[in-house]
Amino acid sequence: EIVLTQSPDFQSVTPKEKVTITCRASQSIGSSLHWYQQKPDQSPKLLIKSASQSISGVPSRFSGSGSGTDFTLTINSLEAEDAATYYCHQSSNLPFTFGPGTKVDIK
Amino acid sequence: EVQLLESGGGLVQPGGSLRLSCAASGFTFSSYAINWVRQAPGKGLEWVSGITGSGGSTYYADSVKGRFTVSRDNSKNTLYLQMNSLRAEDTAVYYCAKVGSNNQLVKYEFDYWGQGTLVTVSS
Repeated sequence: EIVLTQSPDFQSVTPKEKVTITCRASQSIGSSLHWYQQKPDQSPKLLIKSASQSISGVPSRFSGSGSGTDFTLTINSLEAEDAATYYCHQSSNLPFTFGPGTKVDIK
Repeated sequence: EVQLLESGGGLVQPGGSLRLSCAASGFTFSSYAINWVRQAPGKGLEWVSGITGSGGSTYYADSVKGRFTVSRDNSKNTLYLQMNSLRAEDTAVYYCAKVGSNNQLVKYEFDYWGQGTLVTVSS
């Protein structure tokens, strides 16, 4: 099973700041790494697919990068509505796995 | 508009059974693999099971293998998860999630998720 680790676990950020979340896979997964945003009492929402591909309707301040084992989600100029938990997810190998999540709080 | 609507959750005693449904609309259901993902209260996301568009191949997490069965009725645009021998650790919100590429299960993202249905296993 491929294990995904995320850092940090929690981040408290002021609006307009830049946020960087990293996800590391226990073995190479190519670009089969995706990012989701989950707000309280809501289902997860796809933010970035295949490591760096943008999703229609998702604000351009969200971007992703990386390949192999190391990946990054960047939120440029954080807005209050971005308060949420962010998960990475690998679909390279079964069983599919998710990172433990990074909670982003607004100061 | 793609929609996924789960139902069938509820309170069940340990050792009991429950069948979840996921009604889909807004896309060619039979062309897409669908997955079940669960989230225990206050915890992260856990992949549970996946099924190809035709229903010919099914996959399970070790934690549910032998107890859960995923199936689909493409004539009704509905996905199912039969859950037997339920345990307290199965307590979670269960989501169905569509794969983003047709006729594929592996490599692709989960592009649409339902709102989830809560399963509580307790005596």
